[in-house]
Amino acid sequence: NAGVTQTPKFQVLKTGQSMTLQCAQDMNHEYMSWYRQDPGMGLRLIHYSVGAGITDQGEVPNGYNVSRSTTEDFPLRLLSAAPSQTSVYFCASSYGTEPYGYTFGSGTRLTVV
Amino acid sequence: DAKTTQPPSMDCAEGRAANLPCNHSTISGNEYVYWYRQIHSQGPQYIIHGLKNNETNEMASLIITEDRKSSTLILPHATLRDTAVYYCIVQETSGSRLTFGEGTQLTVNP
Repeated sequence: NAGVTQTPKFQVLKTGQSMTLQCAQDMNHEYMSWYRQDPGMGLRLIHYSVGAGITDQGEVPNGYNVSRSTTEDFPLRLLSAAPSQTSVYFCASSYGTEPYGYTFGSGTRLTVV
Repeated sequence: DAKTTQPPSMDCAEGRAANLPCNHSTISGNEYVYWYRQIHSQGPQYIIHGLKNNETNEMASLIITEDRKSSTLILPHATLRDTAVYYCIVQETSGSRLTFGEGTQLTVNP
Protein backbone atom coordinates (compact mmCIF):
# COMPACT_ATOMS: atom_id res chain seq x y z
CA ASN A 1 0.00 0.00 0.00
CA ALA A 2 1.28 3.44 -0.89
CA GLY A 3 2.13 5.61 2.07
CA VAL A 4 4.66 6.39 4.77
CA THR A 5 5.95 3.43 6.77
CA GLN A 6 7.59 3.92 10.15
CA THR A 7 9.40 1.25 12.12
CA PRO A 8 9.41 0.29 14.89
CA LYS A 9 5.96 1.22 16.25
CA PHE A 10 7.13 1.00 19.86
CA GLN A 11 10.57 1.15 21.44
CA VAL A 12 12.00 1.32 24.94
CA LEU A 13 15.58 2.54 25.29
CA LYS A 14 17.90 2.96 28.20
CA THR A 15 19.53 6.33 28.76
CA GLY A 16 22.66 6.63 26.65
CA GLN A 17 21.68 4.05 24.06
CA SER A 18 21.51 4.96 20.40
CA MET A 19 19.00 3.84 17.82
CA THR A 20 17.61 4.64 14.40
CA LEU A 21 13.95 5.27 13.63
CA GLN A 22 13.16 4.20 10.10
CA CYS A 23 10.90 6.04 7.66
CA ALA A 24 10.17 4.98 4.09
CA GLN A 25 7.74 6.28 1.47
CA ASP A 26 6.84 4.82 -1.92
CA MET A 27 5.15 7.85 -3.46
CA ASN A 28 8.29 9.42 -4.97
CA HIS A 29 7.88 12.43 -2.69
CA GLU A 30 10.71 14.95 -2.63
CA TYR A 31 10.03 16.42 0.79
CA MET A 32 10.35 14.40 3.99
CA SER A 33 10.22 15.54 7.62
CA TRP A 34 10.49 14.25 11.17
CA TYR A 35 8.32 15.58 14.00
CA ARG A 36 8.04 14.81 17.67
CA GLN A 37 4.90 15.15 19.74
CA ASP A 38 5.06 15.21 23.50
CA PRO A 39 1.94 14.34 25.54
CA GLY A 40 -0.77 16.98 25.22
CA MET A 41 1.31 19.15 22.91
CA GLY A 42 1.54 19.97 19.23
CA LEU A 43 4.01 18.63 16.70
CA ARG A 44 7.49 20.12 16.56
CA LEU A 45 9.77 19.81 13.55
CA ILE A 46 13.08 18.03 14.18
CA HIS A 47 14.73 17.76 10.75
CA TYR A 48 13.55 17.92 7.18
CA SER A 49 14.79 17.17 3.67
CA VAL A 50 13.90 18.64 0.28
CA GLY A 51 15.54 15.83 -1.68
CA ALA A 52 18.16 13.11 -1.64
CA GLY A 53 21.40 14.41 -0.17
CA ILE A 54 19.81 17.57 1.27
CA THR A 55 18.78 17.93 4.91
CA ASP A 56 18.23 20.83 7.28
CA GLN A 57 17.37 21.47 10.92
CA GLY A 58 13.93 22.22 12.25
CA GLU A 59 12.86 23.65 15.62
CA VAL A 60 14.29 20.94 17.90
CA PRO A 61 17.25 19.23 16.18
CA ASN A 62 19.56 18.72 19.17
CA GLY A 63 20.26 15.07 19.93
CA TYR A 64 19.15 13.85 16.50
CA ASN A 65 20.88 13.17 13.19
CA VAL A 66 19.37 12.52 9.78
CA SER A 67 20.58 11.52 6.34
CA ARG A 68 18.81 11.15 2.99
CA SER A 69 20.74 8.90 0.67
CA THR A 70 17.68 7.89 -1.37
CA THR A 71 14.37 9.53 -2.23
CA GLU A 72 12.48 6.78 -0.42
CA ASP A 73 14.19 6.67 2.97
CA PHE A 74 14.73 9.25 5.71
CA PRO A 75 16.05 7.65 8.92
CA LEU A 76 16.26 9.54 12.22
CA ARG A 77 19.13 8.64 14.51
CA LEU A 78 19.15 9.26 18.24
CA LEU A 79 22.77 9.65 19.22
CA SER A 80 22.59 9.13 22.99
CA ALA A 81 19.04 8.72 24.23
CA ALA A 82 17.82 10.88 27.11
CA PRO A 83 14.53 10.73 29.07
CA SER A 84 13.62 14.11 27.51
CA GLN A 85 13.43 12.35 24.15
CA THR A 86 10.51 10.22 25.31
CA SER A 87 7.89 11.15 22.75
CA VAL A 88 5.90 10.03 19.72
CA TYR A 89 7.80 10.52 16.50
CA PHE A 90 6.07 11.10 13.18
CA CYS A 91 7.56 11.02 9.72
CA ALA A 92 5.87 12.83 6.83
CA SER A 93 6.38 13.26 3.09
CA SER A 94 5.05 15.44 0.29
CA TYR A 95 5.63 16.51 -3.29
CA GLY A 96 7.87 19.53 -3.32
CA THR A 97 7.14 22.17 -5.85
CA GLU A 98 3.38 22.05 -6.09
CA PRO A 99 0.79 22.71 -3.37
CA TYR A 100 0.16 19.28 -1.93
CA GLY A 101 -0.67 17.93 1.48
CA TYR A 102 1.79 15.95 3.58
CA THR A 103 1.22 12.26 4.22
CA PHE A 104 2.10 11.16 7.74
CA GLY A 105 3.17 7.81 9.08
CA SER A 106 1.48 6.16 12.05
CA GLY A 107 4.26 7.09 14.45
CA THR A 108 6.92 5.51 16.65
CA ARG A 109 6.27 5.63 20.38
CA LEU A 110 9.62 5.93 22.14
CA THR A 111 10.23 5.66 25.87
CA VAL A 112 13.66 6.38 27.31
CA VAL A 113 14.21 5.08 30.84
CA ASP B 1 5.15 31.44 6.98
CA ALA B 2 2.26 33.45 8.37
CA LYS B 3 0.94 32.79 11.84
CA THR B 4 -2.58 31.42 12.40
CA THR B 5 -5.04 31.81 15.27
CA GLN B 6 -7.68 29.18 16.09
CA PRO B 7 -10.07 28.73 19.01
CA PRO B 8 -8.75 26.08 21.40
CA SER B 9 -11.93 24.03 21.44
CA MET B 10 -15.35 23.67 19.84
CA ASP B 11 -18.34 21.37 20.21
CA CYS B 12 -20.71 20.16 17.54
CA ALA B 13 -23.77 17.91 17.55
CA GLU B 14 -23.59 14.75 15.47
CA GLY B 15 -25.16 15.25 12.04
CA ARG B 16 -24.81 19.01 12.15
CA ALA B 17 -22.26 21.07 10.25
CA ALA B 18 -19.03 21.87 12.05
CA ASN B 19 -17.56 25.25 11.13
CA LEU B 20 -13.97 25.72 12.28
CA PRO B 21 -12.56 29.26 11.95
CA CYS B 22 -8.97 30.33 11.40
CA ASN B 23 -7.43 33.80 11.31
CA HIS B 24 -4.32 34.40 9.20
CA SER B 25 -4.20 38.17 8.87
CA THR B 26 -0.51 38.29 7.80
CA ILE B 27 -0.88 35.81 4.94
CA SER B 28 1.06 36.75 1.82
CA GLY B 29 0.09 36.33 -1.80
CA ASN B 30 1.99 33.10 -2.43
CA GLU B 31 0.83 31.31 0.71
CA TYR B 32 -1.79 28.60 0.75
CA VAL B 33 -4.13 27.68 3.60
CA TYR B 34 -3.92 24.02 4.59
CA TRP B 35 -6.05 22.07 7.03
CA TYR B 36 -5.01 18.88 8.80
CA ARG B 37 -6.56 16.90 11.61
CA GLN B 38 -5.18 14.52 14.18
CA ILE B 39 -7.40 11.88 15.67
CA HIS B 40 -6.18 10.79 19.08
CA SER B 41 -2.65 9.32 18.96
CA GLN B 42 -2.71 8.88 15.17
CA GLY B 43 -0.57 10.67 12.60
CA PRO B 44 -2.02 13.93 11.25
CA GLN B 45 -4.24 13.62 8.21
CA TYR B 46 -4.35 16.13 5.37
CA ILE B 47 -7.88 17.44 4.72
CA ILE B 48 -7.86 20.24 2.16
CA HIS B 49 -5.99 23.32 0.96
CA GLY B 50 -6.76 26.51 -0.96
CA LEU B 51 -5.27 29.76 -2.21
CA LYS B 52 -8.16 32.19 -2.67
CA ASN B 53 -11.08 30.28 -4.12
CA ASN B 54 -13.41 28.14 -2.09
CA GLU B 55 -12.55 24.46 -2.29
CA THR B 56 -14.51 21.26 -1.68
CA ASN B 57 -13.52 17.62 -1.58
CA GLU B 58 -15.00 14.43 -0.19
CA MET B 59 -14.01 15.32 3.35
CA ALA B 60 -14.74 19.03 3.75
CA SER B 61 -15.21 22.49 2.29
CA LEU B 62 -12.82 25.41 2.70
CA ILE B 63 -14.14 28.96 2.59
CA ILE B 64 -11.52 31.71 2.30
CA THR B 65 -12.56 35.35 2.71
CA GLU B 66 -11.96 37.72 -0.17
CA ASP B 67 -9.14 39.51 1.66
CA ARG B 68 -7.66 36.06 2.54
CA LYS B 69 -7.22 37.07 6.18
CA SER B 70 -9.40 34.29 7.50
CA SER B 71 -10.89 30.97 6.49
CA THR B 72 -13.43 28.41 7.68
CA LEU B 73 -13.26 24.65 7.40
CA ILE B 74 -16.69 23.10 7.10
CA LEU B 75 -17.50 19.49 7.88
CA PRO B 76 -21.04 19.31 6.45
CA HIS B 77 -22.40 16.41 8.52
CA ALA B 78 -20.14 15.79 11.49
CA THR B 79 -19.89 12.28 12.91
CA LEU B 80 -18.37 11.01 16.14
CA ARG B 81 -15.33 9.93 14.13
CA ASP B 82 -14.65 13.57 13.27
CA THR B 83 -13.68 14.25 16.89
CA ALA B 84 -10.05 15.38 16.53
CA VAL B 85 -7.64 18.29 16.77
CA TYR B 86 -7.88 20.41 13.62
CA TYR B 87 -4.88 22.41 12.49
CA CYS B 88 -4.95 25.41 10.16
CA ILE B 89 -1.54 26.03 8.57
CA VAL B 90 -0.37 28.70 6.15
CA GLN B 91 2.47 27.68 3.88
CA GLU B 92 4.19 28.75 0.67
CA THR B 93 3.65 26.66 -2.43
CA SER B 94 7.06 25.09 -2.21
CA GLY B 95 7.36 25.36 1.56
CA SER B 96 9.34 22.53 3.01
CA ARG B 97 8.65 23.28 6.66
CA LEU B 98 5.18 22.49 7.95
CA THR B 99 4.69 24.35 11.23
CA PHE B 100 1.89 23.22 13.51
CA GLY B 101 0.19 25.50 16.01
CA GLU B 102 -2.09 24.48 18.86
CA GLY B 103 -5.11 23.72 16.69
CA THR B 104 -8.79 23.39 17.65
CA GLN B 105 -10.06 20.40 19.59
CA LEU B 106 -13.39 19.55 17.93
CA THR B 107 -15.66 17.31 19.95
CA VAL B 108 -18.68 15.86 18.17
CA ASN B 109 -21.40 14.92 20.65
CA PRO B 110 -24.14 12.31 20.13
